[in-house]
Amino acid sequence: DADVTQTPRNRITKTGKRIMLECSQTKGHDRMYWYRQDPGLGLRLIYYSFDVKDINKGEISDGYSVSRQAQAKFSLSLESAIPNQTALYFCATSDSQITYEQYFGPGTRLTVT
Amino acid sequence: GEDVEQSLFLSVREGDSSVINCTYTDSSSTYLYWYKQEPGAGLQLLTYIFSNMDMKQDQRLTVLLNKKDKHLSLRIADTQTGDSAIYFCAECPSGTYKYIFGTGTRLKVLA
Repeated sequence: DADVTQTPRNRITKTGKRIMLECSQTKGHDRMYWYRQDPGLGLRLIYYSFDVKDINKGEISDGYSVSRQAQAKFSLSLESAIPNQTALYFCATSDSQITYEQYFGPGTRLTVT
Repeated sequence: GEDVEQSLFLSVREGDSSVINCTYTDSSSTYLYWYKQEPGAGLQLLTYIFSNMDMKQDQRLTVLLNKKDKHLSLRIADTQTGDSAIYFCAECPSGTYKYIFGTGTRLKVLA
């Protein structure tokens, strides 16, 4: 089984709809991250969380919100989706050991029409 | 702002060496990373280098670090078609626990 899972894998939604992307991990890591990937722009950090009570904005948090329901679960919400939020979204976890390697989920492809 | 820069595309012939370059911005980064993204998948750590090292070799992969110029490179020897992917360099500025990723370099290996 995958260590970091994301649901759904693909989603098409309409402008103005609320949508939630979910992430679960079995790695036991405290740190979790949400990124979006756009062609030619790499990965940009939306939100990150170092534990259940610690939520932080990343570089592009406007239009997004998150919820850390448990150590293993970190959800990303788009309160009112707009077309320029069409992207590939990745959840990642990180160990707190010295190398800080990140482990990525398979991604959610979101299309907002 | 903080930018990690990479060229967007690289095309090589099978069996040749590939060199993917990256410039980063934060000299405090303790580790610098190379991630590989295959089609339809998330990123996977390929290798990393500690900032006090100049070079790290791992089988077909060689990482070179020039701290003075803030330049990182990844050399893949004997490039195979299975190496076709997007390669991201990333830094993690000291004390932030946040990664800054480059734009990614799409490597295409021609048979």
